[in-house]
Order: sequence, then structure tokens, then C-alpha cells
Amino acid sequence: GNSVTQMEGPVTLSEEAFLTINCTYTATGYPSLFWYVQYPGEGLQLLLKATKADDKGSNKGFEATYRKETTSFHLEKGSVQVSDSAVYFCALINQAGTALIFGKGTTLSVSS
Amino acid sequence: KAGVTQTPRYLIKTRGQQVTLSCSPISGHRSVSWYQQTPGQGLQFLFEYFSETQRNKGNFPGRFSGRQFSNSRSEMNVSTLELGDSALYLCASSLGASVVTDTQYFGPGTRLTVL
Repeated sequence: GNSVTQMEGPVTLSEEAFLTINCTYTATGYPSLFWYVQYPGEGLQLLLKATKADDKGSNKGFEATYRKETTSFHLEKGSVQVSDSAVYFCALINQAGTALIFGKGTTLSVSS
Repeated sequence: KAGVTQTPRYLIKTRGQQVTLSCSPISGHRSVSWYQQTPGQGLQFLFEYFSETQRNKGNFPGRFSGRQFSNSRSEMNVSTLELGDSALYLCASSLGASVVTDTQYFGPGTRLTVL
């Protein structure tokens, strides 16, 4: 079945540093891919998504490109802020198209 | 517009007891999904309801059940609690029935601790 693997954390950065969180997937076909973010004490929020190969999702300075050649959907941001500290989850739709499958999550900690 | 609300936010139960968690979706949303989040297994899909019908179910034992009411509010029940059921239970609602096109909005979760 479909699955997603993302890099282990925690990732610790200084403010204004460049961020990359790696995510690779295994899937039948080309399912939609997502990045969700979970701030402390809150539920998950959709950060961005891409629905087909070569699509780029972007939001709040974050970007991710759906790359079928490398089966990847890496999350990037050019300059992180303290307020970006959170847990980031890569996800895709299961083979049946009925639910999301999440990666284990990557904790990002940004210090000033 | 109010977001997804879940009650209670925290619960402490003992092994063998049962528990009911509640989820109120965003107004107008008809689909409700439930996920279990644990440090070891991460986020796992439990089940999904649309218009009072369970359409999809994850790989969980029959002790986990749920239902959806006509106002789209949903409850999930766990019977005969085990220590391993300790987790954050997240509810997500979406406007329509498609995971592909309909964004899922998550609530803050209910933290269940089983002693």
C-alpha cells in the first residue's frame, strides 16, 4: 500500500536559516501529497498540498514540489522564524482514496 | 467560523473501562474522520463518517467504534480500555466526501490516558 517516510527530527535551526524537511513516498499511481503542521497544543493544519506530478504547493513562505522521478515532496522555507517551531507531517492519500497516511512527523525548533 | 471542537480535551481512565469522545465539525461539514496519534505509531486512521454512515475503517480492533448524528456531530467509543489506547485522538471534518478535493480540518484532539 501507499506509505510515506520523512526525516527524523528534531531539527534545530537559528532564525532566518534555510529549512528542508525530507519526505519520500511509495504509492500506486500519483496520489495527492500534503504537508500538515501541528503547533503545540493544537490540532493539525493543512500547510500546503500538490495534486499531481511537478505541482508546487506553497503557503506562508513554505514550498514543496511533487517530484515523481525521485518520489519526493520535500518541504522548504528560505528563512525560518521562531513562530515556525512546530511538528511537520508529510502525508498522502491511501490506495483506496479514503484516508490520509501520515509520516511520523518532524519536530522543528527555531531559536532567536 | 468556529473550528472543529472536541470534548473533553483530557481524560484519564483505568484499564477495562470504556470511554466516549465527542467531535463537533465545522458548520456545514458532513464528513468526520477520526485518527489516533501515538509517539510510537504516529497518526493512524480510525474511521470516517459521511451523512451518518461509516464509509471507511482503519485497521483497529472492534473495541473502537463510532457513530455520526444527523447534525454531523460524531462520537467515538472505546470499550475495555487497554494501556496501549493511551493517545491523542484527533477528529477532522471536511465539507464533502472526497479526501482528494476536500481539505480536512482538524480539532485540537482529546488526550486519553489509560492507567
